[in-house]
Amino acid sequence: SQTIHQWPATLVQPVGSPLSLECTVEGTSNPNLYWYRQAAGRGLQLLFYSVGIGQISSEVPQNLSASRPQDRQFILSSKKLLLSDSGFYLCAWSGPGGSYGYTFGSGTRLTVV
Amino acid sequence: LAKTTQPISMDSYEGQEVNITCSHNNIATNDYITWYQQFPSQGPRFIIQGYKTKVTNEVASLFIPADRKSSTLSLPRVSLSDTAVYYCLVVSGGSYIPTFGRGTSLIVHP
Repeated sequence: SQTIHQWPATLVQPVGSPLSLECTVEGTSNPNLYWYRQAAGRGLQLLFYSVGIGQISSEVPQNLSASRPQDRQFILSSKKLLLSDSGFYLCAWSGPGGSYGYTFGSGTRLTVV
Repeated sequence: LAKTTQPISMDSYEGQEVNITCSHNNIATNDYITWYQQFPSQGPRFIIQGYKTKVTNEVASLFIPADRKSSTLSLPRVSLSDTAVYYCLVVSGGSYIPTFGRGTSLIVHP
């Protein structure tokens, strides 16, 4: 069966520090991968998605970036965090074209102080 | 992509049936409708999916009229544990950009 792992679960980082959140998927190959952010009491904002290794599409320009160094690994990064980067970050995967639905990781609660 | 509109919030009581309606007026022929449930500090999880008419599983029912411009998620006899945010999502074949929106916050009262 397919599983998705996301870590860390919580993170407190000072303003201006770097960020690296990692997401890995097991039990499938060539998944579509997504990074979402959810501010308190708000909906899910799609940040990045990837349909293959090295292929990244950005939905919202900001000081975050994403990379996909391996087929089932998706990384969200920042060189310098802003207070506004605080939120709940979720990684998700799907089959091609959204097949098999969208399965989410358990999320990372990021607080920038 | 079909834009969806659903109520921001709903209140109910334990044991009642809850119906959450989602509008998707510009749904395309090949699109299908999915619903997700999200508890606080967790990722959304799939509830149900349908193309037309009625679909039922162990958790919910999904009603889709013939014109498919709306859909209704029905939760029978809700309990306190059904308090969550519910998202309607129209999935386009070949689309890689799932947009979840703000969802409907359902609060179930004792």
